[in-house]
Amino acid sequence: DAGITQSPRHKVTETGTPVTLRCHQTENHRYMYWYRQDPGHGLRLIHYSYGVKDTDKGEVSDGYSVSRSKTEDFLLTLESATSSQTSVYFCAISESSRGLGETQYFGPGTRLLVL
Amino acid sequence: DQQVKQNSPSLSVQEGRISILNCDYTNSMFDYFLWYKKYPAEGPTFLISISSIKDKNEDGRFTVFLNKSAKHLSLHIVPSQPGDSAVYFCAARLYSGGGADGLTFGKGTHLIIQP
Repeated sequence: DAGITQSPRHKVTETGTPVTLRCHQTENHRYMYWYRQDPGHGLRLIHYSYGVKDTDKGEVSDGYSVSRSKTEDFLLTLESATSSQTSVYFCAISESSRGLGETQYFGPGTRLLVL
Repeated sequence: DQQVKQNSPSLSVQEGRISILNCDYTNSMFDYFLWYKKYPAEGPTFLISISSIKDKNEDGRFTVFLNKSAKHLSLHIVPSQPGDSAVYFCAARLYSGGGADGLTFGKGTHLIIQP
């Protein structure tokens, strides 16, 4: 158990409204990630963070922003939700030490429906 | 262009037999490969990984093989059990030296273990 929680677990919203998803970790890991999973696409990286206030874009970052003001929390914001952002969102963390590899551990996911 | 490919959307195997899941990649700069298992409505669970400097890694019933010249890896599960029925994702990391490297995922293979 990597100590990752996501909230909310389910959300239904309307097109054009802002939405914020929260990822919380309890083990002080430095690196955190947001992915989305869609049928036929596997998981795709949205944004990631390598420390407090340090974030960068991933493969599918358009329409999303992130913030990390504390080590334990990584927020994903949809400024104006669109139906194409209906998806399952997963947060992940990886351990702070770097070796030859680094395993990412995932949270339980947030299912978002944009009507 | 998909850099990590799992060409079999589904695979059916009898209980007790060997399950072989395949994954191909195109980017020779990937340096670390992982397999995740995912049940419905849950986050992906890390299964096993392999560094690009190795050609085999074994953990209990799970073995991952890496053929760098063919840009191919496979996951072997022996013997297959009913609880192995899940979607399996192959993932690869592109080492950038920056410390926070997102993973590139395949689309997944749905493994069904038949009694």
